Amino acid sequence: DQQVKQNSPSLSVQEGRISILNCDYTNSMFDYFLWYKKYPAEGPTFLISISSIKDKNEDGRFTVFLNKSAKHLSLHIVPSQPGDSAVYFCAASEVGAGNMLTFGGGTRLMVKP
Amino acid sequence: EAQVTQNPRYLITVTGKKLTVTCSQNMNHEYMSWYRQDPGLGLRQIYYSMNVEVTDKGDVPEGYKVSRKEKRNFPLILESPSPNQTSLYFCASSLLLGGTDTQYFGPGTRLTVL
Repeated sequence: DQQVKQNSPSLSVQEGRISILNCDYTNSMFDYFLWYKKYPAEGPTFLISISSIKDKNEDGRFTVFLNKSAKHLSLHIVPSQPGDSAVYFCAASEVGAGNMLTFGGGTRLMVKP
Repeated sequence: EAQVTQNPRYLITVTGKKLTVTCSQNMNHEYMSWYRQDPGLGLRQIYYSMNVEVTDKGDVPEGYKVSRKEKRNFPLILESPSPNQTSLYFCASSLLLGGTDTQYFGPGTRLTVL
């Protein structure tokens, strides 16, 4: 059973608008969450992260929100740009339990010009 | 340039023929790991290593072996590949343990087992 789920396999957004990617988790021991972006033929690259002691973390156009009670996090991209078109993976880990990341299935974002 | 390299990038082989996928990092990272990516399942960890000569199983270790004889190298070995090991494989490394340190990924190795 997947402990981290991204229920939307794909998302299409117009350039300049907001992209919202969602992620749900079931393991209450997870206390650190990350988003990775992956372009075709490349490895995933780290995008943004959030600790469970926070409910929001912002880095430029990217903001991650964490709702611990709902075991839900989301990534907001504002404004979306065509270069943001990629597969986005949500990942979670337990701090102090090694560096093992549990990934969601990914969401393919397409930003149309 | 700081990077994680993997070789080969693409490999087609037949069932039962032993193969090794190499992984090397030039960042002096302690931690290295292997993942496989399958459609809808995201990336699943196969094995990881916290330091030289220290390795441990991840979520899906069956059918794989690893070794960590040097800090920079972490090869993935398939002694007897089977078609269900057809996948996209990624090696990753990070400086420290703890779950909060950024993992850097290699470009991936696409393996097909016929």
